[in-house]
Formats: sequence, C-alpha cells, structure tokens
Amino acid sequence: DIVMTQIPLSLSVTPGQPASISCKSSQSLLDSDGKTYLYWYLQKPGQSPQLLIYEVSNRFSGVPDRFSGSGSGTDFTLKISRVEAEDVGVYYCMQSIQLPLTFGGGTKVEIK
Amino acid sequence: EVQLVESGGGLVQPGGSLRLSCAASGFTFNSYEMNWVRQTPGRGLEWVSTISGSGAQIWSPDSVKGRLTISRDNARNSLYLQMNSLRVEDTAIYYCARRYNRYFDLWGRGTLVTVSS
Repeated sequence: DIVMTQIPLSLSVTPGQPASISCKSSQSLLDSDGKTYLYWYLQKPGQSPQLLIYEVSNRFSGVPDRFSGSGSGTDFTLKISRVEAEDVGVYYCMQSIQLPLTFGGGTKVEIK
Repeated sequence: EVQLVESGGGLVQPGGSLRLSCAASGFTFNSYEMNWVRQTPGRGLEWVSTISGSGAQIWSPDSVKGRLTISRDNARNSLYLQMNSLRVEDTAIYYCARRYNRYFDLWGRGTLVTVSS
C-alpha cells in the first residue's frame, strides 16, 4: 500500500498570513499516462470532505485562487496564500494511482 | 439538487450485520463509479469499496473483502453496503462518495456505525 505522510499535524495561522502543508508518498504518484494522481481535500468542522485540488495543482470548481498545489513524484505541497477564517478544518492528501486508495493522516488548520 | 444521502447506520453487536444505503439525486447515477469511504478518529479516512457504473466491477481493500460488500441499484439511484461479521474496528462514519476521473467529487454527510457489545 502507498503510505501518505502529512506534515505538520496541526497549524495555527493568523488571518491573512500564508500556510503550507506537505504531503509525501511512499511511492511515485506519476502514472504512465503522464498524470500525477495526488489530491487535496478539506474537511470543515461538522462537514464531509470536499475536493480542493486534483492532479497536484488543478483547483476544483469554486475553489478560491488563494489555494494552490504543487509538487511531483513523491513530494507535494498545498499552499494557502492568505488564510481566512473559513479555511479552518482538516486538510487531507490522497493518492489514486494504485489501489487501495489511501489518504494522509490530516493536518488541522486553526486560526490564531 | 445534486446530493448523496446515507442512511442505515446504528449500533450493532460484534459479529452482527448492517446494511447501509445511499440515495443519489440530481445526476445520472449509472454514469459514475460510486464508493464507500469511512472515517475514524484513530485511522482517519479509509477507502472501503468502489463499484463501477454498471455494477459489473467491484474493488475493495483486503481488510474488508468478504465482510463488507458494495452493490448498487441503478433503477433506484441507490448505493448499498452490506456489512457482515462486524468488528469493533469497523466503528466509523461511513460516507458515500461519487468518483469522477479518479477523485471523489461529491460526498454525502455520512452515517455513523457503532460496533459494540
């Protein structure tokens, strides 16, 4: 199974400041079709997860442009350029290059 | 409205059975792979099973094979999870999720399953 490791476990951020979350996979997520199957989800308090980023760097419909994803191979990063109060929750990375689909352990983002 | 609504969760004893349902609306159900994903405080998010749009193909991790079985009824726009031989470690919130281009783009609100004596 591919292990997804997120750092840090939690983050406390002042509104308007940037935030960054790292996700590392135990195997490359680059497929033979040229795509990299790494995704980012946000689970807001009391809600189900919602997709933010697909295939490393593509924002899903309706996701604000303060969210960006980058990386390649086994190392990936989610950045929030200016954190807002509505960004609180737990962020998860996920891989879908190989079954079983696996998620990172999550990074909890709080507002200072 | 495009949505998924789970039902059927509850308290069950170890070794017991439960059947979860997910009602889909607002989209062409048989065009999508559908999934169950569960969440626990200890293990986080865990993929449980995927079923193809026609229902002909099913994928699941070894940890649930033979005990948790996904199925669908496209005429009823419904997804199911038959849970047998339940264990304490199956205690979780179970989410129904739609899969598109290898990612989950639509999730239900989840249903809580508690396995305890």
